[in-house]
Amino acid sequence: AQSVSQHNHHVILSEAASLELGCNYSYGGTVNLFWYVQYPGQHLQLLLKYFSGDPLVKGIKGFEAEFIKSKFSFNLRKPSVQWSDTAEYFCAVNTIKAAGNKLTFGGGTRVLVKP
Amino acid sequence: DVKVTQSSRYLVKRTGEKVFLECVQDMDHENMFWYRQDPGLGLRLIYFSYDVKMKEKGDIPEGYSVSREKKERFSLILESASTNQTSMYLCASTHATGTAAQINIQYFGAGTRLSVL
Repeated sequence: AQSVSQHNHHVILSEAASLELGCNYSYGGTVNLFWYVQYPGQHLQLLLKYFSGDPLVKGIKGFEAEFIKSKFSFNLRKPSVQWSDTAEYFCAVNTIKAAGNKLTFGGGTRVLVKP
Repeated sequence: DVKVTQSSRYLVKRTGEKVFLECVQDMDHENMFWYRQDPGLGLRLIYFSYDVKMKEKGDIPEGYSVSREKKERFSLILESASTNQTSMYLCASTHATGTAAQINIQYFGAGTRLSVL
């Protein structure tokens, strides 16, 4: 079974600092990759996705992620965070063969941005 | 705008009670999912359904059952609630056919935080 690992459970940083959240997955075949975000008190929502093509994908709110197939990684980055980026971030993976398009999620990373 | 609505934001139940969590989506999605979200464990799939009256077990189905009598509604049932089922429960939905985005991007409800005492 596939698995997804997020390296940090908690990250604390100051506004304007750069953010990078690690994500590694275990499946060796073709994958679709996602980052979801959950702001305090809000729905889980899609931040960005990778299906195919350019391995550097851009999402909402200035976030980007890079798919490195050889490293089974899909790390999330933002060059300069804002207080409003305080949230929990989840990496998720599915495969083109996943029945019902099931997603496998990582454990999540709570990010606290101090003003 | 896709809307996935979960009937309760907060529920408090007693051990042994039968609990129903309801989820309704308004985008005619074929696939619906129930997850539970626990700190450090992320989201884990309990059950999913790919059509009316069709269901498949996810990764942690023990202690749960589901019902899908209508396409727009997917219910999670805790037959006899236990304290280890205290958690946040999230419902999601997506299409079964279409573009890569349509079939792979899941839309989530706001969640139901269930406490079992």
